[in-house]
Amino acid sequence: GAVVSQHPSWVICKSGTSVKIECRSLDFQATTMFWYRQFPKQSLMLMATSNEGSKATYEQGVEKDKFLINHASLTLSTLTVTSAHPEDSSFYICSAREVARSIQYFGAGTRLSVL
Amino acid sequence: AQTVTQSQPEMSVQEAETVTLSCTYDTSESDYYLFWYKQPPSRQMILVIRQEAYKQQNATENRFSVNFQKAAKSFSLKISDSQLGDAAMYFCAYRSSFMDSNYQLIWGAGTKLIIKP
Repeated sequence: GAVVSQHPSWVICKSGTSVKIECRSLDFQATTMFWYRQFPKQSLMLMATSNEGSKATYEQGVEKDKFLINHASLTLSTLTVTSAHPEDSSFYICSAREVARSIQYFGAGTRLSVL
Repeated sequence: AQTVTQSQPEMSVQEAETVTLSCTYDTSESDYYLFWYKQPPSRQMILVIRQEAYKQQNATENRFSVNFQKAAKSFSLKISDSQLGDAAMYFCAYRSSFMDSNYQLIWGAGTKLIIKP
């Protein structure tokens, strides 16, 4: 299957700092990428959908100024958690839609710990 | 709005036995996709199997097969010859075929599958 690379896999940061997470589709072009948040023992919660070259669409309750999403190319989307606070600590997962087979492939996730 | 329900929070099966995970969904659409994803302890989401609603034939992938009952809106996953590596959370997901859905997946709550050696 198609490969999606997500980096970093784990990041620890101080409260008030910003953290950037990258999501890359390695062997296919992804016009649409998705960002999820997953709490322990729960399902995936969609945060936002990003389409290449346009502004991301955020789900209700997700602060767009706090979770900045950029999808500048067909293979790269980034999520920046601005002014992170301990309550932002979570597991963040990206996925990319492979158009040919209409399947979402997932990155390995990023564990964010805010001290 | 579409919903996906997985009524089994946890299932266990003896190694080499067969287990079936349940999934039901609610939709008014006639054309859509259904998926089973696996999330092992590594937390990497892995596609297990995909089913297009317009196809009557049940999808199969090696030891994994589905029982797709469109009228009943049921999409169960059968795992044959269970192996220790099958231990994971299994998520059922629905996707509309309409472009205005932005190809978003609607997720079930997940079923934790335990394999007993």
